[in-house]
Amino acid sequence: AQKVTQAQTEISVVEKEDVTLDCVYETRDTTYYLFWYKQPPSGELVFLIRRNSFDEQNEISGRYSWNFQKSTSSFNFTITASQVVDSAVYFCALSAEVGGSNYKLTFGKGTLLTVNP
Amino acid sequence: DTGVSQDPRHKITKRGQNVTFRCDPISEHNRLYWYRQTLGQGPEFLTYFQNEAQLEKSRLLSDRFSAERPKGSFSTLEIQRTEQGDSAMYLCASSPQGWEQYFGPGTRLTVT
Repeated sequence: AQKVTQAQTEISVVEKEDVTLDCVYETRDTTYYLFWYKQPPSGELVFLIRRNSFDEQNEISGRYSWNFQKSTSSFNFTITASQVVDSAVYFCALSAEVGGSNYKLTFGKGTLLTVNP
Repeated sequence: DTGVSQDPRHKITKRGQNVTFRCDPISEHNRLYWYRQTLGQGPEFLTYFQNEAQLEKSRLLSDRFSAERPKGSFSTLEIQRTEQGDSAMYLCASSPQGWEQYFGPGTRLTVT
């Protein structure tokens, strides 16, 4: 069975601080995909990034960066110089192919990030 | 707008009533997923369609829940005899292939 743990339920920072959201996963699959989604108050899930299990390169996109470490089964997300607009719930998720076509996602419980001005 | 659409966006119903939600996927996406998200939790997988075939149902999908995808186009999720525990956001996602999933805005159900 797959499992995603986001130990931080809520994080509150002041604007311009850096913040790291932790994600730890469990899977027996050798090929799998890891994701981060953002869910603003409007409720829609916004895709941020995907990594596959064979690619441990860290990635940076503007103020966002992701650190994938298979050795510790972690896929952490860092926001540099946080802004008020970053306030949202962030979900880490995991998928692997089931039955040839099904890539259902297993989500963590999410981390509520509040960035105060 | 060519994204995934869901209707209605909000539904308030009384316990015991039946409700039906609709999801229109992105055109030509042959895969469709339903998820349920309760307050303070991450979305949980409910069911998966490839074209019109329902290939997997989660144990979360009790006998009161039924999903269809006639002709492999739009999908409906029906809940019969709603209970307060059914209150949640119901999310639909469509996929052209592999890991890609595009989420709709969700239908928020409140059972009073």
